[in-house]
Amino acid sequence: GQQLNQSPQSMFIQEGEDVSMNCTSSSIFNTWLWYKQDPGEGPVLLIALYKAGELTSNGRLTAQFGITRKDSFLNISASIPSDVGIYFCAGPSINAGGTSYGKLTFGQGTILTVHP
Amino acid sequence: DTAVSQTPKYLVTQMGNDKSIKCEQNLGHDTMYWYKQDSKKFLKIMFSYNNKELIINETVPNRFSPKSPDKAHLNLHINSLELGDSAVYFCASSPDGWNYGYTFGSGTRLTVV
Repeated sequence: GQQLNQSPQSMFIQEGEDVSMNCTSSSIFNTWLWYKQDPGEGPVLLIALYKAGELTSNGRLTAQFGITRKDSFLNISASIPSDVGIYFCAGPSINAGGTSYGKLTFGQGTILTVHP
Repeated sequence: DTAVSQTPKYLVTQMGNDKSIKCEQNLGHDTMYWYKQDSKKFLKIMFSYNNKELIINETVPNRFSPKSPDKAHLNLHINSLELGDSAVYFCASSPDGWNYGYTFGSGTRLTVV
C-alpha cells in the first residue's frame, strides 16, 4: 500500500527558530494535507495542497506541494511555544480501481518541542 | 458547538468486556470514519461510512463492529476486548469531495487491563 515517510521524527528547537519538515512517498499523490495534533486532541487541518508546485501559507506556516508529486514540505517561521505538537502529512490512498473513497494515509508524524 | 464529538473521552475496562464508543457530527458531512492511533502515534483507518453505507472496512478483527444509524452518527462496538486494543480511537467526518480533509473528534483513549 501507499506509505508516507516523514522526517525528522522529532525536533527540539528554541523559541523563535524556524522549522522545516518534509514528507515523501514512493507513489504520486494528487493532494497533500498537513495536520497538527495537540496533546489529548484530534488532528486539525493546517494546510491543503492540490497542485504540483503549489506554495500555500497559513500565518507563520508555509507548505509546498513538490514538483514530482511525491513529496511535500512544511515550514514554520519564528516558532512559539504553542507550536508544540505532532505534525502529520496525509494524502488520499488510491485503490487498484483508481479511487480513494476518501481514505487518507497518514505519515508517522514529526514531534515538535519548542523550548521557551 | 463541537463539530465532531466522541464519548467517552476515556474508557478503562477489563479484558473480555464489550464496550461501545459513540460519535456524532453536526457538520452535515456525508462520510464518517474511525481511525486508530497506536502508542507510536501512527494513525490507521479502520472503517468509513458514506450516508450510512459501509465503504471502507480495513483489516480489522471482526470483534470491531461499526454501526451508523444515520449519517450524523457512527458508533464503534468492540467485543471481547484484548490488551492490544488499547489505543486512542478517533472519529472523523468529511463532506463529499473530501479533498478538503477530515474533521476529527478529540479521541477516546481506551485502556484494557
